[in-house]
Amino acid sequence: GESVGLHLPTLSVQEGDNSIINCAYSNSASDYFIWYKQESGKGPQFIIDIRSNMDKRQGQRVTVLLNKTVKHLSLQIAATQPGDSAVYFCFKTSYDKVIFGPGTSLSVIP
Amino acid sequence: NAGVMQNPRHLVRRRGQEARLRCSPMKGHSHVYWYRQLPEEGLKFMVYLQKENIIDESGMPKERFSAEFPKEGPSILRIQQVVRGDSAAYFCASSPYVVTGGDGYTFGSGTRLTIV
Repeated sequence: GESVGLHLPTLSVQEGDNSIINCAYSNSASDYFIWYKQESGKGPQFIIDIRSNMDKRQGQRVTVLLNKTVKHLSLQIAATQPGDSAVYFCFKTSYDKVIFGPGTSLSVIP
Repeated sequence: NAGVMQNPRHLVRRRGQEARLRCSPMKGHSHVYWYRQLPEEGLKFMVYLQKENIIDESGMPKERFSAEFPKEGPSILRIQQVVRGDSAAYFCASSPYVVTGGDGYTFGSGTRLTIV
């Protein structure tokens, strides 16, 4: 079956450092790969997505890299801030099927 | 333009009772998705509905759970004869069309269901 998994359940980084959150997937049949952020007590918020025919996409302080050869997706957050503390989910879509990975909890140390 | 509205925010039910969770999608959105999140876990897809149609219910438990999205009114996730294991946060998302990019989805703030 399809699966999306994350390498580490928790990640702690110093404020100002860069964060890298990784995600592996098992099935390449997808239109988009998406990163969501979920703060405590809230619903997921869209961060950035990347189409399956792209390798890299940049947003404000965030970059998503897609390596289809090894079926690996990463989210890079530059100059991590305390407000970035949250759980980050990678998420893939393929027409009508949506699958979340289990999430990585990012803690930012002031 | 209100976002996805879920109510109630918190719901407490005794074992054996019924739980009804409501989701009003964003204006103009005709696609609704329900997810369940157990404590310290990720979101698990439950069901995908369009108006008056269930498109994909592959994540729904076979018994006690049902969902609908009527022509008028909110989408309803119904859990009959609740058990302790149903305690979770239930999130609803909506989109204006079939899933494409990530910013096509909007999530609600969830309903926290507690079974006592």
